[in-house]
Amino acid sequence: SQQGEEDPQALSIQEGENATMNCSYKTSINNLQWYRQNSGRGLVHLILIRSNEREKHSGRLRVTLDTSKKSSSLLITASRAADTASYFCATDPNNAGNMLTFGGGTRLMVKP
Amino acid sequence: DTEVTQTPKHLVMGMTNKKSLKCEQHMGHRAMYWYKQKAKKPPELMFVYSYEKLSINESVPSRFSPECPNSSLLNLHLHALQPEDSALYLCASSRGRGGLPEQYFGPGTRLTVT
Repeated sequence: SQQGEEDPQALSIQEGENATMNCSYKTSINNLQWYRQNSGRGLVHLILIRSNEREKHSGRLRVTLDTSKKSSSLLITASRAADTASYFCATDPNNAGNMLTFGGGTRLMVKP
Repeated sequence: DTEVTQTPKHLVMGMTNKKSLKCEQHMGHRAMYWYKQKAKKPPELMFVYSYEKLSINESVPSRFSPECPNSSLLNLHLHALQPEDSALYLCASSRGRGGLPEQYFGPGTRLTVT
């Protein structure tokens, strides 16, 4: 079963614009991860934010975490056509470090 | 080497066939996973192996049988599948107990059951 929901389900923007995706989850967490999946391929880990962190940056990615609202957001700045992919947040609902439950995902299309 | 490999890339099988999916990693990871992903849906966890022992089975039907012959290899044996089992099957690995939780995914096997 899905741990959370992502919003929006689909997003279409022009190259150079910023893209923001939101994720909500249900249980308390130790960390939250974001993954990218190109069409029909495996997932690639993007960034992990721990429960005691509020914001984290990695290159053009900025992730925020609000544990009081059980929500996270992923911002991709200055988007490129190569950023076209599905983006999933993921948590470990048991906090045992041995499983991931994914949100529904946001399908991002960046038009050149 | 940060790669997880999966074979075959594509598999078409009839409902009476027996086939196996294979997954391999050489990162020294001690946790390995099988996920099932339907189109436009997130991956759903099927099995977790930790230190070569099955630690999680997410109520997967017995027509799917996982096997972990050693710390680098993970198999998924398929028998008497149904058309609704058609999906992308993803293998992943992570460091395991006490390690960083990031998972590394293979490219997947696209399975079609006819």
